[in-house]
Amino acid sequence: GQQVMQIPQYQHVQEGEDFTTYCNSSTTLSNIQWYKQRPGGHPVFLIQLVKSGEVKKQKRLTFQFGEAKKNSSLHITATQTTDVGTYFCAGPEWAGTASKLTFGTGTRLQVTL
Amino acid sequence: NAGVTQTPKFQVLKTGQSMTLQCAQDMNHEYMSWYRQDPGMGLRLIHYSVGAGITDQGEVPNGYNVSRSTTEDFPLRLLSAAPSQTSVYFCASSMGGNTEAFFGQGTRLTVV
Repeated sequence: GQQVMQIPQYQHVQEGEDFTTYCNSSTTLSNIQWYKQRPGGHPVFLIQLVKSGEVKKQKRLTFQFGEAKKNSSLHITATQTTDVGTYFCAGPEWAGTASKLTFGTGTRLQVTL
Repeated sequence: NAGVTQTPKFQVLKTGQSMTLQCAQDMNHEYMSWYRQDPGMGLRLIHYSVGAGITDQGEVPNGYNVSRSTTEDFPLRLLSAAPSQTSVYFCASSMGGNTEAFFGQGTRLTVV
């Protein structure tokens, strides 16, 4: 089945530093989704990218979908303590009669003052 | 709107016991799914459903059963709990299998 890997598994930054997490799929994706999970919380949808090479921004967050639609990245500029959490990418996998959403392994971000 | 509601929030089971994790959504979503989350493993799909009466296996289905008798409810049954099933379980719903997923608050299960 489809494998979705993320690197790094963990990153610790000082507030104000930038952060990037990378997502790689073993198969071509129809879209890529990103979620954020705060400590002790549940995953919350951030964004969906659909087009090859697409770039979307949400304030300090920049999301990119690779040209081959097999990889994606999330970049946070000037991190803040509110960015703490685990970031997951997720891609749909066609299962014959319907799609199912496969999540990456996640990148845990820790931000200190 | 309540969104996706999971019960219970916490549960401790003894090895061999059975239990049902409840999940309900009020968004009229056709697609519902169950994930388990373990440290370093991300979210792994257990079972999913594309509509009432239709379910299918995910990546890690062994030891779990599901049914979908209504659009709103998608319970997850642990048949005979094992310590390896200690995990945090999340239920999610969406319009389809490739669209934004809405998650419940999670159930933290410990099997001793």
